Amino acid sequence: IVMTQSPDSLAVSLGERATINCKSSQSVLYSPNNRNYVAWYQQKPGQPPKLLIYWASTRQSGVPDRFSGSGSGTDFTLTISSLQAEDVAVYYCQQFYNTPLSSFGQGTKLEIK
Amino acid sequence: EVQLVESGGDLVQPGRSLRLSCAASGFKFEDFAMNWVRQAPGKGLEWVAAITWNSGSIGYADSVKGRFTISRDNAKNSLYLQMNSLKSEDTALYYCAVGLPPESWGQGTLVTVSS
Repeated sequence: IVMTQSPDSLAVSLGERATINCKSSQSVLYSPNNRNYVAWYQQKPGQPPKLLIYWASTRQSGVPDRFSGSGSGTDFTLTISSLQAEDVAVYYCQQFYNTPLSSFGQGTKLEIK
Repeated sequence: EVQLVESGGDLVQPGRSLRLSCAASGFKFEDFAMNWVRQAPGKGLEWVAAITWNSGSIGYADSVKGRFTISRDNAKNSLYLQMNSLKSEDTALYYCAVGLPPESWGQGTLVTVSS
């Protein structure tokens, strides 16, 4: 399954909304449990990735509520409702539908305008 | 606190082999699937391989299939990646990560493949 993110880079003003999209080459919705097998990660320079969202919309413990995930099937979105300086990072989507196989999107670099 | 400590990274020549290890602590290792994910310098994340809790199901990225082998020793709380026939494009920081999706990550170990 190929994950394609858009845009590749994004510049947003502090306090404004940031939206990152991710499209999968096939559906990652598992009908028996109605769950989308998509996760979102944040990676800052020199650090390992940090899990933000799983099941497409469930926020990991400790993640600020300005981060939200949405979408189903093949189209997914990560939204930061009010951009803070500490949110500057590269963001990745990942599918884990055909576990143990998995794949990441190419990443979206988020900067301050 | 979950801790994952990777080791074994080195500078190796193309065609040679290397074995990476990941020592896990702070959680019940035998209950969780484990992953290797790599990141080439200045590039994005690439999922490499994953193994379920009992080694019953294993998966590899196409780029490493047939060359890399993931394994685990639940008695030693350890994850391994045997890498054979290394290529220059395998140069990367290799992360060990726990869970599906991976929820905790190590700091990585650097593998450089160059003559």
